[in-house]
Amino acid sequence: SAVISQKPSRDICQRGTSLTIQCQVDSQVTMMFWYRQQPGQSLTLIATANQGSEATYESGFVIDKFPISRPNLTFSTLTVSNMSPEDSSIYLCSVILGGEGETQYFGPGTRLLVL
Amino acid sequence: QKEVEQNSGPLSVPEGAIASLNCTYSDRVSQSFFWYRQYSGKSPELIMSIYSNGDKEDGRFTAQLNKASQYVSLLIRDSQPSDSATYLCAVPSGRYGDDKIIFGKGTRLHILP
Repeated sequence: SAVISQKPSRDICQRGTSLTIQCQVDSQVTMMFWYRQQPGQSLTLIATANQGSEATYESGFVIDKFPISRPNLTFSTLTVSNMSPEDSSIYLCSVILGGEGETQYFGPGTRLLVL
Repeated sequence: QKEVEQNSGPLSVPEGAIASLNCTYSDRVSQSFFWYRQYSGKSPELIMSIYSNGDKEDGRFTAQLNKASQYVSLLIRDSQPSDSATYLCAVPSGRYGDDKIIFGKGTRLHILP
């Protein structure tokens, strides 16, 4: 398995501001994913972040709202832009480890509350 | 769009009994299947993976796969209160190891002391 860390672990933000969430992995991974999990709901994939290429966004998510960076094989950031209370959620970074097939592991998550 | 279906529950099971969690998937070419456990306020944790038809046992957990019926289940024997969590079934979206994974909405399991 991998050790995945996220920063911040939680934050309270004002409407209209932006927050950048960092994800660090202790090994090199090709594919990183960003998920959102709203209260009481299941996981919703926001985008797939591959090193060296633009992120691939799922339906309903756009780059202007959720810009992603993937500067190397161990790190990625997700920015939640121009936040509204509807963005209050847990944001999870996830990776697929090479050599373990499709097994996907999750970071501890970032709890975001937008006032 | 590939789908993974689970009963949302809650499923209530007496302590010590067997908890049975079920999942169906829509894509016949799916080759691997995963069960994740998620405690409230925590991130999902992989507990079982299964690739072949039949049963796979790991401690108190048994995963069962029936590709013909497109059905995968998770049995938890000797259920403990610490097993109370949401269980997510997950299936890769394609044939290859680097595809994103489709998650079901999860089944909430409550073990009654």
